[in-house]
Amino acid sequence: AQSVTQPDIHITVSEGASLELRCNYSYGATPYLFWYVQSPGQGLQLLLKYFSGDTLVQGIKGFEAEFKRSQSSFNLRKPSVHWSDAAEYFCAVGSNSGNTPLVFGKGTRLSVIA
Amino acid sequence: GAVVSQHPSRVICKSGTSVKIECRSLDFQATTMFWYRQFPKQSLMLMATSNEGSKATYEQGVEKDKFLINHASLTLSTLTVTSAHPEDSSFYICSARTLAGEQFFGPGTRLTVL
Repeated sequence: AQSVTQPDIHITVSEGASLELRCNYSYGATPYLFWYVQSPGQGLQLLLKYFSGDTLVQGIKGFEAEFKRSQSSFNLRKPSVHWSDAAEYFCAVGSNSGNTPLVFGKGTRLSVIA
Repeated sequence: GAVVSQHPSRVICKSGTSVKIECRSLDFQATTMFWYRQFPKQSLMLMATSNEGSKATYEQGVEKDKFLINHASLTLSTLTVTSAHPEDSSFYICSARTLAGEQFFGPGTRLTVL
């Protein structure tokens, strides 16, 4: 069965510190992987995606993620967190076939302290 | 990037009334759109997959007679919550899929049923 696991429900980091949000997936086919960010009461914004090629992908707002097939992981990283990064982060997996919806993890809430 | 809009952003209605939510892809054509429901502090729950010109595919447990979906054109899908009740209060989010396989999300609609 297809699934996405985000082991950390809530993470608190200090502003300026580095960040890593974990994501593990289970998917039968070649996965397309995504990270989305959601601010309270808002929709989802795509941070970055991996379809193929270079396993280290760069996204918006200084985020990057690395696809590791051997570990079935797609962890999100940022070297220096800003207070505005506080939000909910969702990892998702899908495929390139027409009607396949994304499967989402339960999300990780990021809090940033001064 | 591609833009998806939702209207209205917020709606408050009385119990027993019906509410229509529109989802539009503004700068691309989407043969497939998805409707999600999100409870507070929860992840997105897929309700249905909407395909242009055909009937929607509903997830298990989602009442198709209560949540009517119409995908009349390549840029518009509508979700109608019929005879809404307080338990239908939620955040409803749509997404539209590009030919490249990316999903872009609308900003969401907050439904409150009194």
